[in-house]
Amino acid sequence: AQTVTQSQPEMSVQEAETVTLSCTYDTSESDYYLFWYKQPPSRQMILVIRQEAYKQQNATENRFSVNFQKAAKSFSLKISDSQLGDAAMYFCAYRPIFGNEKLTFGTGTRLTIIP
Amino acid sequence: NAGVMQNPRHLVRRRGQEARLRCSPMKGHSHVYWYRQLPEEGLKFMVYLQKENIIDESGMPKERFSAEFPKEGPSILRIQQVVRGDSAAYFCASSQPTGSVGEQYFGPGTRLTVT
Repeated sequence: AQTVTQSQPEMSVQEAETVTLSCTYDTSESDYYLFWYKQPPSRQMILVIRQEAYKQQNATENRFSVNFQKAAKSFSLKISDSQLGDAAMYFCAYRPIFGNEKLTFGTGTRLTIIP
Repeated sequence: NAGVMQNPRHLVRRRGQEARLRCSPMKGHSHVYWYRQLPEEGLKFMVYLQKENIIDESGMPKERFSAEFPKEGPSILRIQQVVRGDSAAYFCASSQPTGSVGEQYFGPGTRLTVT
């Protein structure tokens, strides 16, 4: 069974600084998708960034980028120029490309932005 | 294009009552997923449905819980004889048919409180 581990329950960063959130996963599949979702206090789940495992290039979306290390099964999220609106729970998620389509989530990291 | 709709947003039930949670997927989406989020935890998969079919219900409790996605109308998650442990946020997500990237779009969730 696939598992997703987020070892940092809480993180904090000074506004305008850079922070990296960690995620590791376990799977026997060779092709899959990885996602980072943001959950602000409103509890709405918002997709931040997506990575296809067959792509070697790390995904980037504006201030958000990932460091995808397939051999190490690591998928960290880097947030540059942190803003107050980035404060939220961040969840890492995994989904195989073929077969079962369910998302497997980590336990989340609560990110606090210090003004 | 409206997003995934869920109602009600908040639902209070006494122990032993029934809870019905509704989810209308995004236009053009035929796949619906239900996830449950207990307090201070990540989202856990419950059930995956396509129109008139349950594809995977491996995350559903064996008793009291059922889900449907009829040909017409929203998907319904039904919890009979609710207990305090059912108190949680229930999220619905929808996606396009398999073959696309498989990105799941989430609704705002229904927060169920059992008193």
